[in-house]
Amino acid sequence: GDSVTQMQGQVTLSEDDFLFINCTYSTTWYPTLFWYVQYPGEGPQLLLKVTTANNKGISRGFEATYDKRTTSFHLQKASVQESDSAVYYCVLGGTNAYKVIFGKGTHLHVLP
Amino acid sequence: GPKVLQIPSHQIIDMGQMVTLNCDPVSNHLYFYWYKQILGQQMEFLVNFYNGKVMEKSKLFKDQFSVERPDGSYFTLKIQPTALEDSAVYFCASSLALRLGGEAEQFFGPGTRLTVL
Repeated sequence: GDSVTQMQGQVTLSEDDFLFINCTYSTTWYPTLFWYVQYPGEGPQLLLKVTTANNKGISRGFEATYDKRTTSFHLQKASVQESDSAVYYCVLGGTNAYKVIFGKGTHLHVLP
Repeated sequence: GPKVLQIPSHQIIDMGQMVTLNCDPVSNHLYFYWYKQILGQQMEFLVNFYNGKVMEKSKLFKDQFSVERPDGSYFTLKIQPTALEDSAVYFCASSLALRLGGEAEQFFGPGTRLTVL
């Protein structure tokens, strides 16, 4: 069945460090891939979205590239700030279903 | 940007009682969702609702759960009776309908923290 894998449960960085969060997916359909971010006490909000048509999403300094060969959708940011501290979810949609599938989430903690 | 509202923000009830969680989705959205998140854990899909019908539900959507949106008012999640394991934060979301619901951005509410004693 369709699935999303985020292996990193927690990432701790210092300000201006490079961020890389790993995400892989599995589906037999043409996926739409999302990264959502959840700040404490709030619901998730869309960070960026990529379809098979556009391959790469960029938002607020974050970028993610859809790689069909490796079925990956990793999230990167060149220089993190303390305000980026949050939980980041890789999400799979666009499958033969009316739902999306959330990864387990990666808790990013950026030290000042 | 578009806002999804959830009422109440917190609810404490005794096991076995009924509870109704209310969601005010984005006004022109057509797909509605409920998710369950136990503290510090993953966001789990419960149910998707469109055109007055449940389109898809997960194993977490037990027989004690029901959803409705009468006459375009609140989208509600009812649990009757509640159990201890229902304690969690419940998030409502809504989206525009594209070819399939799974392609559209979902807008999430701030959640309702449900505590079952």
